[in-house]
Amino acid sequence: QKEVEQDPGPLSVPEGAIVSLNCTYSNSAFQYFMWYRQYSRKGPELLMYTYSSGNKEDGRFTAQVDKSSKYISLFIRDSQPSDSATYLCAMSGAYANAGGTSYGKLTFGQGTILTVHP
Amino acid sequence: EAGVAQSPRYKIIEKRQSVAFWCNPISGHATLYWYQQILGQGPKLLIQFQNNGVVDDSQLPKDRFSAERLKGVDSTLKIQPAKLEDSAVYLCASSLGLSGGNTIYFGEGSWLTVV
Repeated sequence: QKEVEQDPGPLSVPEGAIVSLNCTYSNSAFQYFMWYRQYSRKGPELLMYTYSSGNKEDGRFTAQVDKSSKYISLFIRDSQPSDSATYLCAMSGAYANAGGTSYGKLTFGQGTILTVHP
Repeated sequence: EAGVAQSPRYKIIEKRQSVAFWCNPISGHATLYWYQQILGQGPKLLIQFQNNGVVDDSQLPKDRFSAERLKGVDSTLKIQPAKLEDSAVYLCASSLGLSGGNTIYFGEGSWLTVV
C-alpha cells in the first residue's frame, strides 16, 4: 500500500464547475498537508498549505484536512481553463535523520490531471 | 525574487553514459532537495541537504547517483552510468530550513531521456 493515494483521473469538467480533488494517506505522522499545481513541462507550484486538521480558503481554492479519516481535499470553485494542470497532494511529518528532526521530506500522491474546457 | 534555477532543461543520453544537473536555490535557503519525478507519478525525494551537509540520502541509488553541495549554495546531481529507468524529470527544490512551516519551492526541472 502506498503512503499517499490519489486518483490520477483524468478529470474533465466544463468551465465554471466545482472541482473536488482528494487524497488518502496511511502515515499518522503526517502533520503538514499541501496541494501543488503542475503545468505541463513545469515544476510544481505551491497552491495551498495546511497544518493539521481544518479548512483553509484562498480565493477560489479551499483545502480541507481530516486527520481522523486520513483524508484531504482540494475544492476549486468557478473553475477556469487556466486551472487545467496536474494537481499533486503532498504531505510531511517529523522524521529523524542525520540533520536531527526534519519535516522536509514531502511524500506526494500520483497527481490528478484536470482539464477545464470552455 | 528569483526562483530555483536548474540546467540543463532537457537532456537526451544513451544508456551507460553520464549526465550532470545543476541547481541554484533561492538566495538564503539553507535546505536543498533533489526529487525524481517519473512520468505519471508524483515526485520522490532523492537527497536533502542542509547547508553543505547531507541530512537524508536514503532513497538515492548510490551505485549510480551522486550529489554534492560543496559551498552550501549550488548543487550538482550526477548519474553514471545511466539506465533506461532513469528517464525522468529531476526537480531541485529549496526552503529556508528543515522545519515544517517552511515552504518548499521547486525549480522547473531537468528532463532526462535515456535511450
